[in-house]
Amino acid sequence: AQTVTQSQPEMSVQEAETVTLSCTYDTSENNYYLFWYKQPPSRQMILVIRQEAYKQQNATENRFSVNFQKAAKSFSLKISDSQLGDTAMYFCAFMKHSGAQKLVFGQGTRLTINP
Amino acid sequence: DTEVTQTPKHLVMGMTNKKSLKCEQHMGHRAMYWYKQKAKKPPELMFVYSYEKLSINESVPSRFSPECPNSSLLNLHLHALQPEDSALYLCASSQETVERYEQYFGPGTRLTVT
Repeated sequence: AQTVTQSQPEMSVQEAETVTLSCTYDTSENNYYLFWYKQPPSRQMILVIRQEAYKQQNATENRFSVNFQKAAKSFSLKISDSQLGDTAMYFCAFMKHSGAQKLVFGQGTRLTINP
Repeated sequence: DTEVTQTPKHLVMGMTNKKSLKCEQHMGHRAMYWYKQKAKKPPELMFVYSYEKLSINESVPSRFSPECPNSSLLNLHLHALQPEDSALYLCASSQETVERYEQYFGPGTRLTVT
């Protein structure tokens, strides 16, 4: 079975700072997908960024980037120039690479951006 | 357009009631999902439909009954629920191809069982 661990239950930074959220996972699969989802207090789960395990290049989406270390089974999220709207619960998630599969989520990191 | 809609937004029901949650997407996605999320916890998968057929049931109690009438619509029928079933119920969908596999979530239905 796959497990996802987020070791930082809460984080708080000032607006415009850079923040990194940690995620590690455990799997025996070789092909899989990794995601970061954001869930603001309004509760809608929003996809932030995705990474295919077979790609060595780290994914980037505007101010969001990941550091994917396959051998170490690590998948951290970096948010640059943080904004007040980035305040949310962030979930790291794993999914097998075959058909419609369940997302295995970490416990989440509550990120607060302070003005 | 990456919109998944869910109705109702809020639902309060007694333990003897029968109610249904509805989820709809018009993105042409062929996989649809139900997740349950308790407060301050991550979502937990309940069911997966792939091409309108139930492909995964995560040992969910029979008081939850999913239905997929067509590729755009997913229902969750509720009957004889318990107070511990109170939670946020999230629907998601995905295209289920090699290139497009990410799941898009709806806003959820907040269910309270009294």
